[in-house]
Amino acid sequence: DAGVIQSPRHEVTEMGQEVTLRCKPISGHNSLFWYRQTMMRGLELLIYFNNNVPIDDSGMPEDRFSAKMPNASFSTLKIQPSEPRDSAVYFCASSFRRIYEQYFGPGTRLTVT
Amino acid sequence: GDSVTQMEGPVTLSEEAFLTINCTYTATGYPSLFWYVQYPGEGLQLLLKATKADDKGSNKGFEATYRKETTSFHLEKGSVQVSDSAVYFCALRTQGGSEKLVFGKGTKLTVNP
Repeated sequence: DAGVIQSPRHEVTEMGQEVTLRCKPISGHNSLFWYRQTMMRGLELLIYFNNNVPIDDSGMPEDRFSAKMPNASFSTLKIQPSEPRDSAVYFCASSFRRIYEQYFGPGTRLTVT
Repeated sequence: GDSVTQMEGPVTLSEEAFLTINCTYTATGYPSLFWYVQYPGEGLQLLLKATKADDKGSNKGFEATYRKETTSFHLEKGSVQVSDSAVYFCALRTQGGSEKLVFGKGTKLTVNP
């Protein structure tokens, strides 16, 4: 099993640009989670999906952030426009059914200058 | 709301030393408790878990006991190795089957030979 796949691993962009982060969950998993990790705030849940449907997006910081899951094997997190305070490591995780163990991807390190 | 508090790091130990990382939580009901580990450049991995009071989770020589009376889930290892150097996160999942995990801020452990 390849595990959760995220791309890109590193992204450097200028303020105001659109950024799209991608995630492929483990095959057969039906829950998907997006997290953001910063030194100041630690690990925060942004949004999670169950069976491709967003269940809780209360952690999404503001309207500049959006997430989609068009099918069971792909999800995107988009930031438009990006700001320097969005600089962080963004993790995607997936799990098989509710309350089962979450498997994390390697993360995308985003730097907005 | 639910929260997890971990001891501040970083923690630096010599090989074969005893490790304790403190974790306390605030939650309604009876949450499930977890320790995750993050090795450099990687995503988080589940290390151990406990789902009810007095349960002891264990893995790779690490242990933690769910203490309802002190709302604690301290991580211990009798003899650390250089390969244990990582960031350790305590987390909880609230009662009721919610998929959401609430994480502590993490404790960085460095083990020197």
